[in-house]
Amino acid sequence: DAGVIQSPRHEVTEMGQEVTLRCKPISGHDYLFWYRQTMMRGLELLIYFNNNVPIDDSGMPEDRFSAKMPNASFSTLKIQPSEPRDSAVYFCASSPSSGQGSKNIQYFGAGTRLSVL
Amino acid sequence: AQSVAQPEDQVNVAEGNPLTVKCTYSVSGNPYLFWYVQYPNRGLQFLLKYITGDNLVKGSYGFEAEFNKSQTSFHLKKPSALVSDSALYFCAVRGPSAGTASKLTFGTGTRLQVTL
Repeated sequence: DAGVIQSPRHEVTEMGQEVTLRCKPISGHDYLFWYRQTMMRGLELLIYFNNNVPIDDSGMPEDRFSAKMPNASFSTLKIQPSEPRDSAVYFCASSPSSGQGSKNIQYFGAGTRLSVL
Repeated sequence: AQSVAQPEDQVNVAEGNPLTVKCTYSVSGNPYLFWYVQYPNRGLQFLLKYITGDNLVKGSYGFEAEFNKSQTSFHLKKPSALVSDSALYFCAVRGPSAGTASKLTFGTGTRLQVTL
């Protein structure tokens, strides 16, 4: 398996623009997580899905952020409008709910580095 | 609420020497504990986990961790450090009642620097 795939790897945009980050989880994984990493705040969980349904979005900073998972192989995190303080690395991770060895382990993508000017 | 503390922002070790990266946790019930490593410009990679069983857990790249329930600790160790071990290390915890794979709480990370 290719692992968790995120796109784009880098995104530079101007304040006020819409940004869409994409994630393809590992096939067969039924949990998907979106994280944000900054120097100041460390690694923060934004939202997670189980079987394509959002379970906990309490980490989403504000209404400008939204996430969807239309099917088991694709999720998006959208920021509209973007602000400079949204600049961070955004990670997607997926996890299986079963499996002798891999259960409970989250597998991370390489991340999207977002810069909002 | 569950939490993790990594008291050291950075640990410096000479190559060949043993290393320890500290982690303490707080959770209701028996914990599920994890260590992840992050290399520059990469996502987090799973190293090892403790769910139940032996208190000494062995993981990838020669790393191991010792679960100590009385001290609520899960320190990461390696007998002989390599320069290539230099990276950012995260400890994470979740409680047993949070579902089969729901959210982890991560520590703030410890930067390990191994020098020649």
